[in-house]
This record gives sequence, C-alpha cells and structure tokens, in this order.
Amino acid sequence: NAGVTQTPKFRVLKTGQSMTLLCAQDMNHEYMYWYRQDPGMGLRLIHYSVGEGTTAKGEVPDGYNVSRLKKQNFLLGLESAAPSQTSVYFCASSSPRLSYNEQFFGPGTRLTVL
Amino acid sequence: GENVEQHPSTLSVQEGDSAVIKCTYSDSASNYFPWYKQELGKGPQLIIDIRSNVGEKKDQRIAVTLNKTAKHFSLHITETQPEDSAVYFCAASELTGGGNKLTFGTGTQLKVEL
Repeated sequence: NAGVTQTPKFRVLKTGQSMTLLCAQDMNHEYMYWYRQDPGMGLRLIHYSVGEGTTAKGEVPDGYNVSRLKKQNFLLGLESAAPSQTSVYFCASSSPRLSYNEQFFGPGTRLTVL
Repeated sequence: GENVEQHPSTLSVQEGDSAVIKCTYSDSASNYFPWYKQELGKGPQLIIDIRSNVGEKKDQRIAVTLNKTAKHFSLHITETQPEDSAVYFCAASELTGGGNKLTFGTGTQLKVEL
C-alpha cells in the first residue's frame, strides 16, 4: 500500500514550457486535491476533484488545469509555465467514508521555473 | 472565504518542556480543524484533528483545544522530544458533501533543543 505518490519529484522548466504532474493513490479515495506550498504562505488549494470526471477550482487556480480520468489518478497541468509558479506541489486524497474525511498527502514535487 | 492565522512562526523549547501553537479562523461555518506535521523534504502528515462539536481531544502527548465562540484552536505538545522538531500547520474547513477544502495557516517551525 503505497498511499499517495507523485511524479516527478523534481523538475526545472523554462518560462513558457508546459508540463504535467501526476498524482496516484491506491486507497480507493473518492476525493483528490492539488496544493502549492510557498515559503511563509502555508499550503494553498489549486484544484480538487470529488470524483472521476469531475474537477473544481480552489483558491489559486489561475495558470493550471487538471484532469481526473481515472479514480486513482489526478493530473495537474501547466500550459505555459511562469516564474511565479516556482513552488512545491502536493497532492492529497481523502474519502467521505473516513470518520473526518481526513486528507493524506504525497511527498511533493519541487518545480523551478527559470 | 476562510482565513486562518497561526502563531508563532517559530518556537524553540527545551527537551521535556511543553509547546503550544495557536490558530484563529474567520469563517463560523468551519467545523473541522486538523493539525499537520511536516518534516523536511516530506509531505504534511496528519497528527490530530477535531470537529466543532468537541472542545478538546488528546492523543498521548498531543492535544488540541477548540473555542468556537472565540474562533480559535490550539495544539499542545507535552514532554517534547527532539523528533518533535518539524513544521506544524493548522487548517480549517467546512465538511460538506463536496470535498474537504482545507485552508491552512502559515506554519510554525518547532525546534526542540537538547
């Protein structure tokens, strides 16, 4: 049982390039989330999904797109990367079947945009 | 939207002493308050959580208290140990059928000195 995994662990992009971050969970959770973490700002919700084929915007969605084609996977895309998107990205999953719908986090992806 | 403030930003204690971290929230609809511990280079890990129908919850050396009227909640760690050194985040959300959209505080760097 690997929990929540993220690919890749590190990535360096040039301004304007695109990339996709992959999140996978093996806990059969219905809900999945993408956060970004910046120094001194805690974690902020980018997008989330309450089920396969559905996504919704969080607090800071601009510049990102997401897709949830399979229940176990949640993809975060950057179409045209900007230096302001340099951050550590965390994926999380949860289930309403759990007592408090608590979230389990992955190990993170450190992204640098030059 | 919800706003969560967390204090202090850094906290240094001697091994065996107690540590207290405080958070305030703004949205009276919030009813779920988790605390996460984040070690260097890793994702946040849930250590304790509480719902608004409970005033206090304990788990061994860790306790959380909630004052709904004042809209603040606190994390208490007793008999601190070096392995408690990490960044701690509080968060708040309104648990609904539409996911668990957490708003995080800005984090507290706890250092337990020998």
